[in-house]
Amino acid sequence: DSGVTQTPKHLITATGQRVTLRCSPRSGDLSVYWYQQSLDQGLQFLIQYYNGEERAKGNILERFSAQQFPDLHSELNLSSLELGDSALYFCASSVVVSTGTDTQYFGPGTRLTVL
Amino acid sequence: GDSVTQMEGPVTLSEEAFLTINCTYTATGYPSLFWYVQYPGEGLQLLLKATKADDKGSNKGFEATYRKETTSFHLEKGSVQVSDSAVYFCALSAFGSYIPTFGRGTSLIVHP
Repeated sequence: DSGVTQTPKHLITATGQRVTLRCSPRSGDLSVYWYQQSLDQGLQFLIQYYNGEERAKGNILERFSAQQFPDLHSELNLSSLELGDSALYFCASSVVVSTGTDTQYFGPGTRLTVL
Repeated sequence: GDSVTQMEGPVTLSEEAFLTINCTYTATGYPSLFWYVQYPGEGLQLLLKATKADDKGSNKGFEATYRKETTSFHLEKGSVQVSDSAVYFCALSAFGSYIPTFGRGTSLIVHP
């Protein structure tokens, strides 16, 4: 158990809908990262937050947004969903803003299926 | 930009065989290097890491040495077990960078 929790575990929805994925980092971790894992694209970094502020953006679509709240939990919002958004979405946390040596602790993931 | 290249899988071995999973990288500066493992149905977890050239990371019988001259970080284990069956990801993080770079993962299947 990494100490990172994600809800829900599974989500099935239809195209065009909007969903929210939730992540609670390990106690004491200030950084939260979101990743998308699919068979064809592998593990893709989406976005990072540190202590409530956005710090880095990766391959995140404009239809996707995220935020980190004062209690440090984070939410990833996916809207206007398409079939291609079906994937595993992971949240990870680390202690501090990455200096390049930080270990990331991953949650169990949310499996999103868009029908 | 930074990139990580891993050998394609799946790698299929018999129990107690020797394992090597190749990983090479391209990065500016001196990145830290990581191996993460993903067991079926779970998230990734850190297996080992090395933060400077010639460092050797080790954990659970797995080892990898940071080779700057060949820009490589190959994962090895002397005797694999069925329980090692998983997907292994090589990753790098450049100093001061907020964005880690992962390889595409290599699936390992160990038969009894």
